Amino acid sequence: DTEVTQTPKHLVMGMTNKKSLKCEQHMGHRAMYWYKQKAKKPPELMFVYSYEKLSINESVPSRFSPECPNSSLLNLHLHALQPEDSALYLCASSQVLLAGARSYNEQFFGPGTRLTVL
Amino acid sequence: GENVEQHPSTLSVQEGDSAVIKCTYSDSASNYFPWYKQELGKGPQLIIDIRSNVGEKKDQRIAVTLNKTAKHFSLHITETQPEDSAVYFCAGRGSTLGRLYFGRGTQLTVWP
Repeated sequence: DTEVTQTPKHLVMGMTNKKSLKCEQHMGHRAMYWYKQKAKKPPELMFVYSYEKLSINESVPSRFSPECPNSSLLNLHLHALQPEDSALYLCASSQVLLAGARSYNEQFFGPGTRLTVL
Repeated sequence: GENVEQHPSTLSVQEGDSAVIKCTYSDSASNYFPWYKQELGKGPQLIIDIRSNVGEKKDQRIAVTLNKTAKHFSLHITETQPEDSAVYFCAGRGSTLGRLYFGRGTQLTVWP
């Protein structure tokens, strides 16, 4: 299995709703990522998990809450979002994060969840 | 941190022609440069990458070159086909573990 899967494909939610995005990979990768992508823009890094521990939080608002329950799963819990949070949310995974010259961290992306906040 | 610039922002070519997309980076410690292709409604797909100890890498119709001295790298697509139409992103891995810095993207259109 060489892919990253994401559910749901599309999500519409109101500003008072609570919802979750799910990401799964079975490539044995131990680093997982959440990105946000607006139309015609590159992906923006939100969070990085390494060995199920949060290693990077790019100053993301607390209405986004990541969770990594095990090495194959990554969730993003959403609460009290704003219309400007509407975007494509991408999950990615890579092998372990290593320091130094041997660290390349090829990242493989899932298809994304298209989120619309009304 | 790293800063990756990408040009051009749009590129139109006739089917069968070659396409070249160029990127520059700022962090001399960067050692890994992937290229992603993103089709409409899909996630980015890793199509080729190059490491700093290599000057060129080819995979069928696509190739990437790296000039470490000048801090630039390029994607070359030969014999373009309409299915090559997509947005292409270059990226560089800077000093921060796990972090990729993306260029702004190039919309490639291949006309039949």
